[in-house]
Amino acid sequence: NAGVTQTPKFQVLKTGQSMTLQCAQDMNHEYMSWYRQDPGMGLRLIHYSVGAGITDQGEVPNGYNVSRSTTEDFPLRLLSAAPSQTSVYFCASSAWQFSGNTIYFGEGSWLTVV
Amino acid sequence: TQLLEQSPQFLSIQEGENLTVYCNSSSVFSSLQWYRQEPGEGPVLLVTVVTGGEVKKLKRLTFQFGDARKDSSLHITAAQPGDTGLYLCAGPRGGNQFYFGTGTSLTVIP
Repeated sequence: NAGVTQTPKFQVLKTGQSMTLQCAQDMNHEYMSWYRQDPGMGLRLIHYSVGAGITDQGEVPNGYNVSRSTTEDFPLRLLSAAPSQTSVYFCASSAWQFSGNTIYFGEGSWLTVV
Repeated sequence: TQLLEQSPQFLSIQEGENLTVYCNSSSVFSSLQWYRQEPGEGPVLLVTVVTGGEVKKLKRLTFQFGDARKDSSLHITAAQPGDTGLYLCAGPRGGNQFYFGTGTSLTVIP
């Protein structure tokens, strides 16, 4: 059972570099989202998508881009990495809006920006 | 300021003790969920509460949704080391956004 798959698991970037965190789900979920997790802050929503071709900003979108060309994939792009983007990133998906629906998470991507 | 504030932030207790974790907001939520996250993994859903005043039990875990649907609590009876983890409350806001609380890190010492 694949569920939500994130790659890479670990990444070290230099300040100013760009990279893409990949996310794929095999549950045919319409809703996908990206969160970052920092100590004492819980999970903060970066970007989300309610279906292919539709994306929107969450709480902390600056410095990140997303696209949703297919139902399955929702990559997160860091345009010019900064040390403040050092964090653990989680991709998540859900069948639709949340009234009782379960949100499924990937295992996380640990990103360090030096 | 976080939309959902959890307390306490850290909790370390002995096996067999009881504990309560709180999730508070100034906003009304149509529903709230509780997740548990273990180190190196993503959060996993424990329960969803929908109705104000609702109480749900999951073995030794009791979840309550406040009457005004602005807060929730999680009570664990006779905690066990397997309960160790980060507990997160979460709820929908604005239709398409889903917010998580600040989290409570629980350690149960054998």
